[in-house]
Amino acid sequence: NAGVMQNPRHLVRRRGQEARLRCSPMKGHSHVYWYRQLPEEGLKFMVYLQKENIIDESGMPKERFSAEFPKEGPSILRIQQVVRGDSAAYFCASSPMGRDYGYTFGSGTRLTVV
Amino acid sequence: GESVGLHLPTLSVQEGDNSIINCAYSNSASDYFIWYKQESGKGPQFIIDIRSNMDKRQGQRVTVLLNKTVKHLSLQIAATQPGDSAVYFCAENGAGNMLTFGGGTRLMVKP
Repeated sequence: NAGVMQNPRHLVRRRGQEARLRCSPMKGHSHVYWYRQLPEEGLKFMVYLQKENIIDESGMPKERFSAEFPKEGPSILRIQQVVRGDSAAYFCASSPMGRDYGYTFGSGTRLTVV
Repeated sequence: GESVGLHLPTLSVQEGDNSIINCAYSNSASDYFIWYKQESGKGPQFIIDIRSNMDKRQGQRVTVLLNKTVKHLSLQIAATQPGDSAVYFCAENGAGNMLTFGGGTRLMVKP
């Protein structure tokens, strides 16, 4: 039973390009969360999705960021027109039944904007 | 602002000693708490959790204590080993649909 799979592990983008981060939750998990982590800081919530639905995007920047979790395939976090401040580690977590049960995290995608 | 905070950003202990990492939370409605361990370059790893109807829960070498009166959570690691060196986060299911994480404490184990 594979854990939460994130790819790519490392992503380098030039300013103005688009970044696409993928997350496949654990088998049987239908709740997906994206968090962002800056160096030496904690995890900041971005968005919570279930299949084909965005449940809570209160942590997402209003512009350039979007997320989806289609019926088939992985969840995608998309950042358009990246800027240097987007450089961070982005972690995906999945849960079988929401926030009242432990999350399983992936290994993250480290985005570097140059 | 954050509803979960930690008192010490860095904790240094001798190998073999016990470690205690503390966490304060502000949302009295939170009823589920988790400790995560994050090693360098890796994602957070679940260590132990506790629900608000308990005040203590033990795992292998780890114990979580919950004091709801003062809204305080602690993680105790017995016989700390070099492999325990990491950043430790507490999390709570406070407001909203997600777990809220504290800022983290770095545990350094001296051989």
